[in-house]
Amino acid sequence: DSGVTQTPKHLITATGQRVTLRCSPRSGDLSVYWYQQSLDQGLQFLIQYYNGEERAKGNILERFSAQQFPDLHSELNLSSLELGDSALYFCASGTAPSTYGYTFGSGTRLTVV
Amino acid sequence: QKEVEQDPGPLSVPEGAIVSLNCTYSNSAFQYFMWYRQYSRKGPELLMYTYSSGNKEDGRFTAQVDKSSKYISLFIRDSQPSDSATYLCAMSVTGANSKLTFGKGITLSVRP
Repeated sequence: DSGVTQTPKHLITATGQRVTLRCSPRSGDLSVYWYQQSLDQGLQFLIQYYNGEERAKGNILERFSAQQFPDLHSELNLSSLELGDSALYFCASGTAPSTYGYTFGSGTRLTVV
Repeated sequence: QKEVEQDPGPLSVPEGAIVSLNCTYSNSAFQYFMWYRQYSRKGPELLMYTYSSGNKEDGRFTAQVDKSSKYISLFIRDSQPSDSATYLCAMSVTGANSKLTFGKGITLSVRP
């Protein structure tokens, strides 16, 4: 167990729907990162939050949004879902500054049908 | 051209073999280089971390960075079946705790 908790583990939903993925970081970690992993694109950085504030943004679609709450858990909201959004979504957490990288959760597998 | 290219594999080797995994990159601003290992149905876990050029050894694993050639490698000595996993290289401009750019990963299978 990495200490980063992601729920749900699996999600099947229809096109056009909206889902929320949840992440609880390791105790003491202030940063949360969201990544999308698909077979054709690999792991792609979506967004980073640090202590409740957006810190960095990657190739995150406008249909996607995220936030980090005062208790440091984070949610990734995906709306108007398309078939191409089917992927593994990983959350990671870390403590900056650190030279040791960050810790990933086990991911949420999203299937859009 | 993608920023980080990694041999697609898959790669299958017999137990005890020396494994060489490689990535090339195009962004000369990358300073932090990492290798992650990902087992099936799990998230990536950090295996090796190197700052700038040079070698780093940790047990059976050696990471090499050649910034002049924009080339990084991970060597696994005396490979074990438990090393069977997907290996991803990752790079960052500003630090190991910032945005990482990953290679697509290579799946390694070590045959007993």
